[in-house]
Amino acid sequence: SQKIEQNSEALNIQEGKTATLTCNYTNYSPAYLQWYRQDPGRGPVFLLLIRENEKEKRKERLKVTFDTTLKQSLFHITASQPADSATYLCALASRSGGYNKLIFGAGTRLAVHP
Amino acid sequence: DAMVIQNPRYQVTQFGKPVTLSCSQTLNHNVMYWYQQKSSQAPKLLFHYYDKDFNNEADTPDNFQSRRPNTSFCFLDIRSPGLGDAAMYLCATSRGSGYMNTEAFFGQGTRLTVV
Repeated sequence: SQKIEQNSEALNIQEGKTATLTCNYTNYSPAYLQWYRQDPGRGPVFLLLIRENEKEKRKERLKVTFDTTLKQSLFHITASQPADSATYLCALASRSGGYNKLIFGAGTRLAVHP
Repeated sequence: DAMVIQNPRYQVTQFGKPVTLSCSQTLNHNVMYWYQQKSSQAPKLLFHYYDKDFNNEADTPDNFQSRRPNTSFCFLDIRSPGLGDAAMYLCATSRGSGYMNTEAFFGQGTRLTVV
C-alpha cells in the first residue's frame, strides 16, 4: 500500500542547532515533493518544492534533499529559533489520471527551546 | 490580502443536518483541493478539481459532495454529518499544467463540530 511516513514523535532541539526532519514514502513515484509548515488551528503554508531530478534545494535557513532511490526527503532548518516551532508536513505529487494530486504526511512537530 | 478564503471559520452542526462549507480564491488557480484533517493526522484528500474536471478519492464517503460553479468558488457539502466527520476542513488551490503543479495555497480552514 502507499504510505508517507514522518516521525510522529516531536523533535525537541535547542535554539541555534540544526533541526532535521525525515519524510519516507513507499509505492509512490513522485515527480516532486513539497514541505509545508502548519501552526495550530491554521492551514499549511508552503516552504519548498524539490523535483525528482534535483538532489538539494535551499532557501535561506532551509534545506531540502530528495533521494528517489532511498525514497526519502530530509528537511533541515539551520540556526533554529523558537519561532520555527510548528508542525512540518511533507507532501508529494501522486499521479491521478492525467494530473497530479497532492498527498500529505501526518507531519512532525518541532519544538525549539531557548 | 487573503487569497484563499474559507467560510465560516467555525461551524457547529447537528448530527444528520446537512451543512455546506465554502471556499473562494482570488488567485485564478485552476486546481482546487478539499482536505479533511483530524487532530495530529495528515490532511486527507477528499476531492480535487483540475479546471472543471472533478476527481473523487476512492475512499471519500458518499456523504461528502462537492461543487465548483466557477473558477473562484468551491463548496463542500456534507449531506448527513456524523460525529466522525468533526474535523478541520481545508481548501487549497494551485496552478497546474499536466503533471506539474505550483505550490498549494491553503485557506485558514473551517473547524466543523457535530453535536
